[in-house]
Amino acid sequence: ETGVTQTPRHLVMGMTNKKSLKCEQHLGHNAMYWYKQSAKKPLELMFVYSLEERVENNSVPSRFSPECPNSSHLFLHLHTLQPEDSALYLCASSQDPGGELFFGEGSRLTVL
Amino acid sequence: EDQVTQSPEALRLQEGESSSLNCSYTVSGLRGLFWYRQDPGKGPEFLFTLYSAGEEKEKERLKATLTKKESFLHITAPKPEDSATYLCAVQASGGSYIPTFGRGTSLIVHP
Repeated sequence: ETGVTQTPRHLVMGMTNKKSLKCEQHLGHNAMYWYKQSAKKPLELMFVYSLEERVENNSVPSRFSPECPNSSHLFLHLHTLQPEDSALYLCASSQDPGGELFFGEGSRLTVL
Repeated sequence: EDQVTQSPEALRLQEGESSSLNCSYTVSGLRGLFWYRQDPGKGPEFLFTLYSAGEEKEKERLKATLTKKESFLHITAPKPEDSATYLCAVQASGGSYIPTFGRGTSLIVHP
């Protein structure tokens, strides 16, 4: 496999469910990101992991919890989500922090 | 606060009709400006990085240029397969390395 792989591609969950999104990068990059993309809005950075350091957007609710066990894998744990959390969640990686981003295909999340 | 504004929001062209997309930005100092292409239902795909005013980069029918206040993405003789949303992102020098994205321009090229 090459590039950045995200699973699942589509997820429907109720507000009381707990699920996780998974991302894997095969590019040997040093930084991984979670972005949220909603209609008519700019890409919103949620979390960055770079060289074992985590940077987070302070406006992201605590019902989103990231995990980065190593430089190739990134998870986004979802718990007690709200309907307004429905969006496309994009994982990306870059060789260096802030460099060109290589995105996965995204996970389309629908919260009922 | 860093700001990135893309215009127009949407653009419809006939095949072969050249045009330009604009990305204007306000940052304390520019470290880099990025262009991405995004097809429906997919993640953005990196196109170009520009670092300094006067710099230009080309790829097939696309040419990106940069001034101190804005960047243009010129599309020459577009084809229907150029239809996509084009995103601009700006990275400021100093402080956070996280780039700020614009809302994008949705381009449709009719055959």
